[in-house]
Amino acid sequence: ETGVTQTPRHLVMGMTNKKSLKCEQHLGHNAMYWYKQSAKKPLELMFVYNFKEQTENNSVPSRFSPECPNSSHLFLHLHTLQPEDSALYLCASSQEASGVNVRGEQFFGPGTRLTVL
Amino acid sequence: QKEVEQDPGPLSVPEGAIVSLNCTYSNSAFQYFMWYRQYSRKGPELLMYTYSSGNKEDGRFTAQVDKSSKYISLFIRDSQPSDSATYLCAMRRDDYKLSFGAGTTVTVRA
Repeated sequence: ETGVTQTPRHLVMGMTNKKSLKCEQHLGHNAMYWYKQSAKKPLELMFVYNFKEQTENNSVPSRFSPECPNSSHLFLHLHTLQPEDSALYLCASSQEASGVNVRGEQFFGPGTRLTVL
Repeated sequence: QKEVEQDPGPLSVPEGAIVSLNCTYSNSAFQYFMWYRQYSRKGPELLMYTYSSGNKEDGRFTAQVDKSSKYISLFIRDSQPSDSATYLCAMRRDDYKLSFGAGTTVTVRA
């Protein structure tokens, strides 16, 4: 496997279900991200793990819970979602360096298409 | 006001035409400017990366940044059907946080 992989690619769940999205990066990067992509809207940054510190967008509901056990793996735990949470969820990774301007190119996975019924 | 504005299109052009895409932004602290291409059912992939104002050319693709006008452009020359995709502009300050436009969907007709 190369680059950034995400599983599952498609997920349909009811509002009472609990599920998890998985992301794995094989690029040796030290930062990983979760984005939400809805139709006709800009990508919305949900969570960042950078140097093992988590930063989150304060507007993300608590029904989304991230977990980053190591620099290569990232999870997004989902519970009691709403139909408006249906979207494409993208994972990305990059190499960041504190205090130094680096390219910081973000590499994206193929995404998980989530449908909440 | 949105931080990054991008016309969602859709834009349809005949094969061989020049495709012109643009974004405007409001935050003068942005220093790095990018264009991503996203095919259907795929994640975005980086197409062009520019630091500060100026032009950058890569094959059929040219990216322009005008920081004084807070305006960036992407031109695709001799467009091909394989260029049909959604193009996202993105920009960042000197940290990791990217701000994206909504994306423009482009179709190149054979």
